[in-house]
Amino acid sequence: EDQVTQSPEALRLQEGESSSLNCSYTVSGLRGLFWYRQDPGKGPEFLFTLYSAGEEKEKERLKATLTKKESFLHITAPKPEDSATYLCAVQEVEARDDKIIFGKGTRLHILP
Amino acid sequence: GAVVSQHPSWVICKSGTSVKIECRSLDFQATTMFWYRQFPKQSLMLMATSNEGSKATYEQGVEKDKFLINHASLTLSTLTVTSAHPEDSSFYICSARGMGTGWGEQYFGPGTRLTVT
Repeated sequence: EDQVTQSPEALRLQEGESSSLNCSYTVSGLRGLFWYRQDPGKGPEFLFTLYSAGEEKEKERLKATLTKKESFLHITAPKPEDSATYLCAVQEVEARDDKIIFGKGTRLHILP
Repeated sequence: GAVVSQHPSWVICKSGTSVKIECRSLDFQATTMFWYRQFPKQSLMLMATSNEGSKATYEQGVEKDKFLINHASLTLSTLTVTSAHPEDSSFYICSARGMGTGWGEQYFGPGTRLTVT
């Protein structure tokens, strides 16, 4: 059973059409949840860290929120340059060597 | 801040040869470095974790004699793929965390595309 599940797998939006990406997790104790952006052929780029339920972080058109079971990445009025794969990862309280567990990602495509 | 580089960005090698990939933290001291591989349209799979000056810890199913990891300094880790075969062709990405990075946060290099012919 996957510990980190992201949905949808892929999402196509028109420029300016706001939406949300979901990341649900099943770990015994959450130390932190991370969002990354990955462009094709490149390494992931760090976006946010969330540590506790109710926490929110914002960066430009992106806002990440966290509950006890899931996180959402809200994208407001997206632009074509926001097209990328968005990865969610979690770190358990008992994680060895600060290991983080990645979801499979959501491929986001913003149409001009 | 928290910039990680990798070299080379791509490499093609013949089956049976060995390939070394370098991962460097440019503006912070990386106490821990991680090595991942990624197949097309798949997520990142952790291969191993290395702490500076210690032996690497490999994930289940990863052959430690095939994927040699060295973390000799606080800014450099290397991954050597020994006796490479076509099935080792993949996108290899390193990440690092350490002094100056947020708790638990990892910063990734740009990746190395390995093609074994």
